[in-house]
Amino acid sequence: TQLLEQSPQFLSIQEGENLTVYCNSSSVFSSLQWYRQEPGEGPVLLVTVVTGGEVKKLKRLTFQFGDARKDSSLHITAAQPGDTGLYLCASRLAYSGAGSYQLTFGKGTKLSVIP
Amino acid sequence: ETGVTQTPRHLVMGMTNKKSLKCEQHLGHNAMYWYKQSAKKPLELMFVYNFKEQTENNSVPSRFSPECPNSSHLFLHLHTLQPEDSALYLCASSQEGFMNTEAFFGQGTRLTVV
Repeated sequence: TQLLEQSPQFLSIQEGENLTVYCNSSSVFSSLQWYRQEPGEGPVLLVTVVTGGEVKKLKRLTFQFGDARKDSSLHITAAQPGDTGLYLCASRLAYSGAGSYQLTFGKGTKLSVIP
Repeated sequence: ETGVTQTPRHLVMGMTNKKSLKCEQHLGHNAMYWYKQSAKKPLELMFVYNFKEQTENNSVPSRFSPECPNSSHLFLHLHTLQPEDSALYLCASSQEGFMNTEAFFGQGTRLTVV
């Protein structure tokens, strides 16, 4: 089983600060997804990265996929209270069967942005 | 209604009770999942149904019993649970067959076993 290690586990910052959270594995990712889970809700997909070295931007969020496809980072610029939530990385593992893939999650980084 | 809907949102049950969690997806997806989310563990995949056939059972105790009567509905039947089973149970759906397909989650059922 591919383990996804996320760091830091908890992060509390002031509004306006920048931050970076990380997702690492000892194995190569075929692709990687980042989800955000707000309190009382299920996770929602933010982005999928596929190619080593890929950088994707979503407003103030920048996602980077490592060249070797074994790590990924999420950088938030000028964090806002609305960014508060649990940030999860996930990767799909191919398993034998009907061409389906099991989505495996890291433990997540719990972000609190204080106004 | 759109998306993935779970009921109930909150459930408190005794260890001898029998209850069921319900999930419904209106996205036309062909795969549905049950996940367990505890405070100190990552999201744990419990069951996968692909085209209504169970394709994955990740060593889940038999006190959890899934049922998928059609591609839009998924149930999780609960029987003689333990306090350590208290957690957020999330249902998800996706269109499988594609490597980078997105998983859509419901809001979850917060289960407390007393």
